[in-house]
Amino acid sequence: AQSVTQLGSHVSVSEGALVLLRCNYSSSVPPYLFWYVQYPNQGLQLLLKYTTGATLVKGINGFEAEFKKSETSFHLTKPSAHMSDAAEYFCAVSVINEKLTFGTGTRLTIIP
Amino acid sequence: DTEVTQTPKHLVMGMTNKKSLKCEQHMGHRAMYWYKQKAKKPPELMFVYSYEKLSINESVPSRFSPECPNSSLLNLHLHALQPEDSALYLCASSQVLTSGRETDTQYFGPGTRLTVL
Repeated sequence: AQSVTQLGSHVSVSEGALVLLRCNYSSSVPPYLFWYVQYPNQGLQLLLKYTTGATLVKGINGFEAEFKKSETSFHLTKPSAHMSDAAEYFCAVSVINEKLTFGTGTRLTIIP
Repeated sequence: DTEVTQTPKHLVMGMTNKKSLKCEQHMGHRAMYWYKQKAKKPPELMFVYSYEKLSINESVPSRFSPECPNSSLLNLHLHALQPEDSALYLCASSQVLTSGRETDTQYFGPGTRLTVL
């Protein structure tokens, strides 16, 4: 079975600083990887996904993530944080015939 | 358009009430999901429908009863709930790939915030 680990349940960055949210996965077969964002009292919005092909994927709102098979990682980055980026971020993994597995989430706070 | 809609947005019910949550998508997706999310936790899968047939029930108590009347609609019927069932209920949908794999990209609705008194 697959699993996801998100390092850091809370991350704080200053406005304009680099955002780095960490995600490591465990899977015995090639995974599909996702990042979702959840704003307060809302549903989950897909930020980006990796299925096959290019390992650097770009998403909405200036976010991107790189699939590193050797490190079993799929970290999310954004060069310059904006106040509107404050939210909960979930990394998720799916493999064939298995359900979508979420990490425990990282709450991102932006310091003005 | 990647929109999944859910109604109502908020619901307060007593333990003896019967209510229903509704989810709708018009993306042509043939897999639909119900999730339960408690505060500060990731979503937990409850049910999966594939081609309008229940394919996964994650050992959910019978007081939750799902229904998929057609390929665009998904309902969750609630009866005799407990206060611990208070949560955000999320609906999602995805394509079903030719391999039969349901776990393609899932698109989520805004959720129904349920409070059981």
